[in-house]
Amino acid sequence: AIQLTQSPSSLSASVGDRVTITCRASQGISTALAWYQQKSGKPPKLLIYVASSLQSGVPSRFSGSGSGTDFTLTISSLQPEDLATYYCQQFNSYPWTFGQGTKVDIK
Amino acid sequence: EVQLLESGGGLVQPGGSLRLSCAASGFDFSTYAMSWVRQAPGKGLEYVSSISGSGGTTDYADSVRGRFIISRDNSKDTLFLQMNSLRDEDTATYFCAKYSGWAALDYWGQGALVTVSS
Repeated sequence: AIQLTQSPSSLSASVGDRVTITCRASQGISTALAWYQQKSGKPPKLLIYVASSLQSGVPSRFSGSGSGTDFTLTISSLQPEDLATYYCQQFNSYPWTFGQGTKVDIK
Repeated sequence: EVQLLESGGGLVQPGGSLRLSCAASGFDFSTYAMSWVRQAPGKGLEYVSSISGSGGTTDYADSVRGRFIISRDNSKDTLFLQMNSLRDEDTATYFCAKYSGWAALDYWGQGALVTVSS
């Protein structure tokens, strides 16, 4: 199975900061990667698909990039409502594994 | 509006069985693959299983293969997860999710809590 490693596991940033989360795959997955945001007690919400496409309705401060083994989720200007845990997931091959998550706190 | 509603969760003893259902609406159910994803209390997301739109192709995580069975009834727009030989470590909230067709799960249900305990 393909393993996804996210870093950091957690971070704390101030409102307005630029935040970057990385996801590294154990083997190449082209652009078959999604990013999700999960707030406490809620199901995950899709942010980014095929590595860099913004899901409809998601604020433009969220962006994704990368291909092959290295991927990045960027929040250009952190907002209070972005307090959440973020996950990557690969779809290159079964099983469709997830990263371990990155918890984002607001300073 | 796409809606996914899980049901069938509850408390079960180790070694027992449970069947989860996910009622779908708002899209052409038979066209899309569907997945189950679980989340143990305080833990991250874990992929469980997927099934193609026709039901002809299925996949399982190693942790559940041989114990869980995914199926679907396209005439009733419903996804199922039959869980057998349940273990303590299967305790989790189970989400059903729709595959978008473009490397993502684009809609998720609210989840069904399964607790395995004696």
